[in-house]
Amino acid sequence: GAVVSQHPSRVICKSGTSVKIECRSLDFQATTMFWYRQFPKQSLMLMATSNEGSKATYEQGVEKDKFLINHASLTLSTLTVTSAHPEDSSFYICSADRPHDRSTDTQYFGPGTRLTVL
Amino acid sequence: ELKVEQNPLFLSMQEGKNYTIYCNYSTTSDRLYWYRQDPGKSLESLFVLLSNGAVKQEGRLMASLDTKARLSTLHITAAVHDLSATYFCAVDPPTSGTYKYIFGTGTRLKVLA
Repeated sequence: GAVVSQHPSRVICKSGTSVKIECRSLDFQATTMFWYRQFPKQSLMLMATSNEGSKATYEQGVEKDKFLINHASLTLSTLTVTSAHPEDSSFYICSADRPHDRSTDTQYFGPGTRLTVL
Repeated sequence: ELKVEQNPLFLSMQEGKNYTIYCNYSTTSDRLYWYRQDPGKSLESLFVLLSNGAVKQEGRLMASLDTKARLSTLHITAAVHDLSATYFCAVDPPTSGTYKYIFGTGTRLKVLA
């Protein structure tokens, strides 16, 4: 099956620093990747759609200057949380779109990254 | 605004009992997904429902989809402790050619031994 990895799995940083999270599709090419944020005991909220070779599309209410997304290749998207603050602490999950076989899931989810900002 | 609501939000049940989780969504979508999430983990795909009337079963879980009612159900038969987790439904209404998922509110299930 399709595999998506994320790195790091956990990160703790000081307030004001920037943190980069990588999302890789390991065995398929993904022109589209998605970034979700999940606060404790809540659902997944879509932050942005990452498109290879073009600008990301952000959901309403998500600050694009704070959450920088770069989809540099067909297998890698990165999310950079700039000037992180404690309220950015969350579980960040990426997914990669694989629409070729619509009889199965079209999105394959990464294992998530737990960000804690002190 | 598209809304995907699940009920109940919390469910505590005894082993061996049956129960149903409901997922209602507010806009047209002919595909619906069910996921399981264990604490601290990402999502595990359970079911992909592709059309009206679709029914799928895996072990003690059975999912169905009624696109006319905009309703999906996840039925648990003879629950066991290992089913304790949070269950999410998600829909992907086509939006400008991008199939982005909108997740339900989630149902936290606790099966008591």
